[in-house]
Amino acid sequence: AQSVTQPDIHITVSEGASLELRCNYSYGATPYLFWYVQSPGQGLQLLLKYFSGDTLVQGIKGFEAEFKRSQSSFNLRKPSVHWSDAAEYFCAVGEPGGGADGLTFGKGTHLIIQP
Amino acid sequence: NAGVTQTPKFRILKIGQSMTLQCTQDMNHNYMYWYRQDPGMGLKLIYYSVGAGITDKGEVPNGYNVSRSTTEDFPLRLELAAPSQTSVYFCASSYKGAQETQYFGPGTRLLVL
Repeated sequence: AQSVTQPDIHITVSEGASLELRCNYSYGATPYLFWYVQSPGQGLQLLLKYFSGDTLVQGIKGFEAEFKRSQSSFNLRKPSVHWSDAAEYFCAVGEPGGGADGLTFGKGTHLIIQP
Repeated sequence: NAGVTQTPKFRILKIGQSMTLQCTQDMNHNYMYWYRQDPGMGLKLIYYSVGAGITDKGEVPNGYNVSRSTTEDFPLRLELAAPSQTSVYFCASSYKGAQETQYFGPGTRLLVL
């Protein structure tokens, strides 16, 4: 069964500093990879996704992520965080071949922004 | 476009009661999903549907039922509510399967006492 690990439960970053959120997955083949963001009391919003091709993908709100096959990782980055980036971030994987049975999510990383 | 809407936003149930969580999408998506989110955990898939009349179990289906009579609606039924079903429930939809972006509703917070 596929699994997703987000090793950091909480991360605190100063406003204007750079950010990297880690995500590792376990799967036999390269799955579809996603990062979602959840603001307090809200549903999830897609930041970016990777299926194939260029391993550095750009997303919304200035986020990017890099797929590294050798490390089974898909880390999310942002060069300069804003207070509005404070939220819960989820890495998720989908079954290659376009399977319909939903996404497998990591437990999430709670991002705190210090002024 | 309203996207994915869920009702109610919040509900308190007594143990043994039943209720239906409503989910509607107006994007003409074929695929719909129900997830639950427990504190400190990611989302876990309860049920999903690939089209009207077709549903299938996800990772944690016990205690729940679904139906999909129309493309737009995908209600989740809780029979005999238990404290273990206290959670936040999210409905999502996508045009196709796992390679497509899933659009999430705002969630229903359920407390079973």
